[in-house]
Amino acid sequence: EPEVTQTPSHQVTQMGQEVILRCVPISNHLYFYWYRQILGQKVEFLVSFYNNEISEKSEIFDDQFSVERPDGSNFTLKIRSTKLEDSAMYFCASINDNSYEQYFGPGTRLTVT
Amino acid sequence: AQTVTQSQPEMSVQEAETVTLSCTYDTSESDYYLFWYKQPPSRQMILVIRQEAYKQQNATENRFSVNFQKAAKSFSLKISDSQLGDAAMYFCALEGAGSYQLTFGKGTKLSVIP
Repeated sequence: EPEVTQTPSHQVTQMGQEVILRCVPISNHLYFYWYRQILGQKVEFLVSFYNNEISEKSEIFDDQFSVERPDGSNFTLKIRSTKLEDSAMYFCASINDNSYEQYFGPGTRLTVT
Repeated sequence: AQTVTQSQPEMSVQEAETVTLSCTYDTSESDYYLFWYKQPPSRQMILVIRQEAYKQQNATENRFSVNFQKAAKSFSLKISDSQLGDAAMYFCALEGAGSYQLTFGKGTKLSVIP
């Protein structure tokens, strides 16, 4: 069964550093998403991406965040200058054009020290 | 704006018994979808069950079923014959038909007592 993959599974970085979280969505999916879950809290929507552009973004998704689909398979989330409060689990999800069910990746645990 | 409320931060159930997790929601959209996700300690998000708002029939997946009350904007999850592997965080989520963006509740931590 096809699945969404994410790398790395755990990333540790120092405050102020840039990080790139990578996702490979399911191959025939067209909509891509990033969600964030701070430890002990609910999952929060960050951004959605369709047709090579952002379709929606939340208030959390400020100028320090960016997303990109650099090739036909990867979907990345970049945080330019990490803060302590960016420590969270980051989930990528994808959906195809004929369904509404989002398929989640296993997540990347980001720890900012 | 969409909101999802789970009023039970924690629940427990005896193994083999039945438990119901509550969820209420609010949305201005006429067409939407509702989900229950399970999150074990690994923190992977696993889809348990889904319900299309336009369907009156309650969804069922093996031991998992929902009670969808559209007028009351309620979407509860019933787990029958609870198993130790059911212990996890359970999140209720709402997706508007127009945006596909998921709005999650705060979750209910379910413990299963042997």
